Amino acid sequence: DIQMTQSPSSLSASVGDRVTITCRASQSISDYLNWYQQKPGKAPNLLIFAASSLQSGVPSRFSGSGSGTDFTLTISSLQPEDFATYYCQQSYNTPYTFGQGTKLEIK
Amino acid sequence: QVQLVESGGGLVKPGGSLRLSCAASGFTFSDYYMSWIRQAPGKGLEWVSYISSSGSSIYYADSVKGRFTISRDNAKNSLYLQMNSLRAEDTAVYYCARGHMYGYVYWGQGTLVTVSS
Repeated sequence: DIQMTQSPSSLSASVGDRVTITCRASQSISDYLNWYQQKPGKAPNLLIFAASSLQSGVPSRFSGSGSGTDFTLTISSLQPEDFATYYCQQSYNTPYTFGQGTKLEIK
Repeated sequence: QVQLVESGGGLVKPGGSLRLSCAASGFTFSDYYMSWIRQAPGKGLEWVSYISSSGSSIYYADSVKGRFTISRDNAKNSLYLQMNSLRAEDTAVYYCARGHMYGYVYWGQGTLVTVSS
């Protein structure tokens, strides 16, 4: 199975900050990498698919990059509604594994 | 609009069985791959299984292989997950989701399965 490792596991930041979350795959997954945001008690929300494609309706402050084994999710200017947990997921090979999550908290 | 509504969760004893359902509406169900994803209380997301649009291609996570069976009824716009030999570690919120290689855009609200004596 492909292991997905996110860093950091948690992060404190302020409104207006630029934030980067990293996801590393245990083997090359080309660009089959998706990013989700999840708020407590809610289903995840797809932000980025295919490593860098912004899902329709997602604010442009979210961006993704990378290919192969190393990927990043960047939020250019944090807004209050962005404080949540973020997950990466590979869809290159089954099982379609998720990272362990990054909890983004208010500083 | 696309809607996915799960049902069938509840409390079950270890070794017991449960069948989850996901009712789909707002799109042509038979055109899409569907998946089950779960989340244990306070934990991260775990992909469980997917089924192709026709039902001819099915995959499972190793943690559920041989115990869970995914199926669909395209005439009823419904997705199912038959869960047998349930264990405490299967306790989770189970989500159905539409999508495949390019991520899961649409998710249900989830149904809680609790395995406890």
